[in-house]
Amino acid sequence: AQRVTQPEKLLSVFKGAPVELKCNYSYSGSPELFWYVQYSRQRLQLLLRHISRESIKGFTADLNKGETSFHLKKPFAQEEDSAMYYCALRDFGNEKLTFGTGTRLTIIP
Amino acid sequence: DAGVTQSPTHLIKTRGQQVTLRCSPKSGHDTVSWYQQALGQGPQFIFQYYEEEERQRGNFPDRFSGHQFPNYSSELNVNALLLGDSALYLCASRVGGSGVTQYFGPGTRLLVL
Repeated sequence: AQRVTQPEKLLSVFKGAPVELKCNYSYSGSPELFWYVQYSRQRLQLLLRHISRESIKGFTADLNKGETSFHLKKPFAQEEDSAMYYCALRDFGNEKLTFGTGTRLTIIP
Repeated sequence: DAGVTQSPTHLIKTRGQQVTLRCSPKSGHDTVSWYQQALGQGPQFIFQYYEEEERQRGNFPDRFSGHQFPNYSSELNVNALLLGDSALYLCASRVGGSGVTQYFGPGTRLLVL
């Protein structure tokens, strides 16, 4: 069965400091990994996906198949990064997204 | 384009009742998925509809059923409500085809007393 683990429920980081949100997954097939973000009073939205290998709002995430991880990183945190972040997994050709329990990131001014 | 819309925003029901939640997909989208998000948890996949048929289903009992209409809007029905059905119900839509971004609605918060 596929599973996504986000070990930190809460994470507080000072503005300007680096951010790393951890995500580990268990899945035997070829997963597609995503990070979703939910800002205060807004709906859940896609932040980035590993296939795109792009940087969105300064965030990057690299899929490490050996460690089965997909950690989200940003070198310099900004106050507007405060939000709830969810890591999610989907098998290629499948519809079902499996989400982690989320990490609430708070940026301290 | 308002994006994905859901109604109602909030709902209170009692155990044993039935509830219907509604979703209108983003303009141009033809595929709708439903998720249940319990407090403190990530969303859990319920099922997906495409071409008015249920295409895939998560690990939810038959009390959870759905429908998709010719205009691509969708309904989620839950029968014989349990206290544990209290959650935020999210609808997500996308254009048919693989590897395409899903857009989420604001959700319907259901409280079962």
